[in-house]
Amino acid sequence: GENVEQHPSTLSVQEGDSAVIKCTYSDSASNYFPWYKQELGKRPQLIIDIRSNVGEKKDQRIAVTLNKTAKHFSLHITETQPEDSAVYFCAAKRGGGADGLTFGKGTHLIIQP
Amino acid sequence: IAGITQAPTSQILAAGRRMTLRCTQDMRHNAMYWYRQDLGLGLRLIHYSNTAGTTGKGEVPDGYSVSRANTDDFPLTLASAVPSQTSVYFCASSLRPGQGAVFGELFFGEGSRLTVL
Repeated sequence: GENVEQHPSTLSVQEGDSAVIKCTYSDSASNYFPWYKQELGKRPQLIIDIRSNVGEKKDQRIAVTLNKTAKHFSLHITETQPEDSAVYFCAAKRGGGADGLTFGKGTHLIIQP
Repeated sequence: IAGITQAPTSQILAAGRRMTLRCTQDMRHNAMYWYRQDLGLGLRLIHYSNTAGTTGKGEVPDGYSVSRANTDDFPLTLASAVPSQTSVYFCASSLRPGQGAVFGELFFGEGSRLTVL
């Protein structure tokens, strides 16, 4: 099955700086890579996703890059703000697969004022 | 209701007791999932259902069972709870291939915090 590794487990950045979270996956058939944000005590929510036919996708201050050859993808947050503090999860799955997403273990992002 | 609803929100349970976590969605999603979330381990899939009447095992299915009698409901049962099943349980649903989506965003419930003593 799929295995997703996520680094770092904790990331502390100054407000206004950029944050980068990296993930690798094992199943070369995976072609869908979403990122979820989970605030303390809340449910995970999708913030951005990328399909394998795209190398990069941006949505305002958030961007995701994908390198299928190396089997890794990254989340980039620019101009970080206090509300970006949360746990972020990467995930992977095969499109059409019925068995759900395989998640990384999560990154606790701390934005220092 | 709108979206996906879980019950109970929180429960303390004696080891050996039977417990069913309820999950209901009103989005007409065919696919539903149960994940458990543990500190440092992320979200791990317990069981899933691609459509009413079918279920499958995820990464950590032992000690859990599910049923999918209809599209809306996907209960998770712990037949005889053990302390290692102390966790936060999230139910989720998504569109699946054939419902107009190849890749399905997961919509999560609010979670059920279960403590087994």
